[in-house]
Amino acid sequence: AQTVTQSQPEMSVQEAETVTLSCTYDTSESDYYLFWYKQPPSRQMILVIRQEAYKQQNATENRFSVNFQKAAKSFSLKISDSQLGDAAMYFCAYRSARSNQFYFGTGTSLTVIP
Amino acid sequence: KAGVTQTPRYLIKTRGQQVTLSCSPISGHRSVSWYQQTPGQGLQFLFEYFSETQRNKGNFPGRFSGRQFSNSRSEMNVSTLELGDSALYLCASSIGNRATGELFFGEGSRLTVL
Repeated sequence: AQTVTQSQPEMSVQEAETVTLSCTYDTSESDYYLFWYKQPPSRQMILVIRQEAYKQQNATENRFSVNFQKAAKSFSLKISDSQLGDAAMYFCAYRSARSNQFYFGTGTSLTVIP
Repeated sequence: KAGVTQTPRYLIKTRGQQVTLSCSPISGHRSVSWYQQTPGQGLQFLFEYFSETQRNKGNFPGRFSGRQFSNSRSEMNVSTLELGDSALYLCASSIGNRATGELFFGEGSRLTVL
């Protein structure tokens, strides 16, 4: 079974600074998709960024970018110019192309310090 | 377009009772997934329904069950509630026929078992 590991339960960053959240996964599949989701306090989870495993180019969405290392099975999220609204729980997720099933990590709670 | 709607948002039950949670997906989405979220455990996958059929199932006891109706609305039921069932139950919908499809989450149903 696929597993997703987020080794940083909590992280903090100064406003306007850059922070990187780590994620590793374990799979024997070659075709899959990776996601970062954001869950603000008491609000619903939303998609931050998505990466197809067959694409070598790292995905970017405005201030959010990923560092996808397929051989190392690593998928980190970089948040640049951090804003107070970035404070949330961030979940890394793996989706199997074969089964369509999602697997989530345990999450990283990000605090943004003014 | 309306988002994913979950009802009820909050509920309190006692041990031994049963509970039914409801989820209305985004219009046109045929896949509905359920997750249990607890602090420190992240999101644990319960099951996924696609076109009224259970397509995937997580490692939860038989007390947890679900179903999907012809209009894609889904319900999950937990019988003989235990204290450990206290959690946020999240429903997510997706188009369902493409692995690249992201999940759209509801706000969740927070269950407290006393």
